[in-house]
Amino acid sequence: QKEVEQDPGPLSVPEGAIVSLNCTYSNSAFQYFMWYRQYSRKGPELLMYTYSSGNKEDGRFTAQVDKSSKYISLFIRDSQPSDSATYLCAMNSGDMRFGAGTRLTVKP
Amino acid sequence: EAQVTQNPRYLITVTGKKLTVTCSQNMNHEYMSWYRQDPGLGLRQIYYSMNVEVTDKGDVPEGYKVSRKEKRNFPLILESPSPNQTSLYFCASVGQLNEAFFGQGTRLTVV
Repeated sequence: QKEVEQDPGPLSVPEGAIVSLNCTYSNSAFQYFMWYRQYSRKGPELLMYTYSSGNKEDGRFTAQVDKSSKYISLFIRDSQPSDSATYLCAMNSGDMRFGAGTRLTVKP
Repeated sequence: EAQVTQNPRYLITVTGKKLTVTCSQNMNHEYMSWYRQDPGLGLRQIYYSMNVEVTDKGDVPEGYKVSRKEKRNFPLILESPSPNQTSLYFCASVGQLNEAFFGQGTRLTVV
């Protein structure tokens, strides 16, 4: 079993849809949870950062962490074609681990 | 502007020809790391460095070397590249909140 599991997709949605991206993990020591967005031919860029359990909202993006279920989510509201990218979850407890990434396409 | 700079962006080489990929950061971060990214496997850590002159193996260190002689630079060295090292490589530096900042990537092809 991988330490971090993420459905690779691909996921295709119409513009304006709500997108839900998820990861599960097995290491209960993880304390820092992140979502990265990676456009084609670019390096990953930090999108959302959460420490421990709870929700964090930033514009159209909401990150949720449920440590009891070892489950994290990223929600994108009113999705736009510019949101088309690969989204990677990441977790850190001194050792950073990444999910494989979910490729998202938002169609106009 | 805070950034991590990798060079070259693209590289095609032949088996056995030594190469170095450079990485530099201007954020004064102590922790730096190298990853390779392969389809379906995500980002896998090759080597990391917690400070100058302190380096350690990640999950896939075989065939790679690194050095950290100064804080801002963390080059990745392939002494004798092989085709299975064809991949997309990323350098990252990690801030105090444990968030990683990535370079633009180096696409390496070994023929």
